[in-house]
Amino acid sequence: AQSVTQLDSQVPVFEEAPVELRCNYSSSVSVYLFWYVQYPNQGLQLLLKYLSGSTLVESINGFEAEFNKSQTSFHLRKPSVHISDTAEYFCAVRTSGDYKLSFGAGTTVTVRA
Amino acid sequence: DVKVTQSSRYLVKRTGEKVFLECVQDMDHENMFWYRQDPGLGLRLIYFSYDVKMKEKGDIPEGYSVSREKKERFSLILESASTNQTSMYLCAGGSNQPQHFGDGTRLSIL
Repeated sequence: AQSVTQLDSQVPVFEEAPVELRCNYSSSVSVYLFWYVQYPNQGLQLLLKYLSGSTLVESINGFEAEFNKSQTSFHLRKPSVHISDTAEYFCAVRTSGDYKLSFGAGTTVTVRA
Repeated sequence: DVKVTQSSRYLVKRTGEKVFLECVQDMDHENMFWYRQDPGLGLRLIYFSYDVKMKEKGDIPEGYSVSREKKERFSLILESASTNQTSMYLCAGGSNQPQHFGDGTRLSIL
């Protein structure tokens, strides 16, 4: 099974500052990568995904992530955060032909004014 | 709007009880999943189902079973609840990997 490491458990950040959440996974031949967001007292929502093609993927609310095969990483970035981005973020990976996702431990982002 | 609905947001049960957690989806997804979420551990897969009456063990199936008699409903069963099963339980549905999650059931076993 894949293992996923989110390098930061807590990331405090000021409003309008940039943020980067780091994610590394154990190498495999072919992987699909995901970021999910969990707002307080809610389930997870899919934020963005990499399946194939361009290594840079974007979400509708300004987040982007870049797949780096050589470094087995899929870091999530946003150039300017809002208070409403306060949430827990999970990186996840699955291999081709497998429905099961392996999740990282999560990174809690707290945005302060 | 897509819905994955879990029957209870909060549940308190006693050690040794048989506990049922219910999940219903309205997206006609083939696959449904049960995860438990614990601080510092992320989400861990308990069971998933890829079709009616079909199931496969996840990473931590011990102490749990599941039932999928209809496509839209996927139940998680704690055969004899124990205190180490106190956790947040999340149900999800998807065509491949989990796409839509319920809001979770916070289960406390006393």
